[in-house]
Amino acid sequence: DAKTTQPNSMESNEEEPVHLPCNHSTISGTDYIHWYRQLPSQGPEYVIHGLTSNVNNRMASLAIAEDRKSSTLILHRATLRDAAVYYCILGTQTGANNLFFGTGTRLTVIP
Amino acid sequence: EPEVTQTPSHQVTQMGQEVILRCVPISNHLYFYWYRQILGQKVEFLVSFYNNEISEKSEIFDDQFSVERPDGSNFTLKIRSTKLEDSAMYFCASRLGRANEQFFGPGTRLTVL
Repeated sequence: DAKTTQPNSMESNEEEPVHLPCNHSTISGTDYIHWYRQLPSQGPEYVIHGLTSNVNNRMASLAIAEDRKSSTLILHRATLRDAAVYYCILGTQTGANNLFFGTGTRLTVIP
Repeated sequence: EPEVTQTPSHQVTQMGQEVILRCVPISNHLYFYWYRQILGQKVEFLVSFYNNEISEKSEIFDDQFSVERPDGSNFTLKIRSTKLEDSAMYFCASRLGRANEQFFGPGTRLTVL
């Protein structure tokens, strides 16, 4: 499984933008970059995914480096509800495309 | 909005007993998964299921585990003879197609005494 590296924890003030980094220097050409999050006492929840180009959706933006060895999940305006563990996961879109979670980044949002 | 549901929310069992954890995936989804999360640890992949058969399984998914889609709507995980170390949250997930995101259920907390 391709490996990702994320900071263990980050803090953000409420209503400010948050940039969550992920390094994936061994990414292969067919690997997509997926982000999921896990709110306290809940199952993981899809956030966003991309391959090469930056992506935006209603939850977040994903900025992917030109060499694809790193990416950044951007929450444009953190709310208390965004406090969660964020996981950056690599995966192809062949086969069952199972998810292999790392330890993720625990985001604390300060009111 | 469609969602994955799981029952029960909490299951307590004695070591050596069989348990069946139940999931109802989103109705038109084709790929189904089980994951587990031991308290304080990361989410671990157990098994994926597609076209009525196991696609992939992890080393955790040994002969004590089995999965079934008995009636086209439910997706079950059976643990034949539970061990203390099987205590964990078990998450079911489903996916419409390969290129789509996985939707996770709220989990079943299994406690083995």
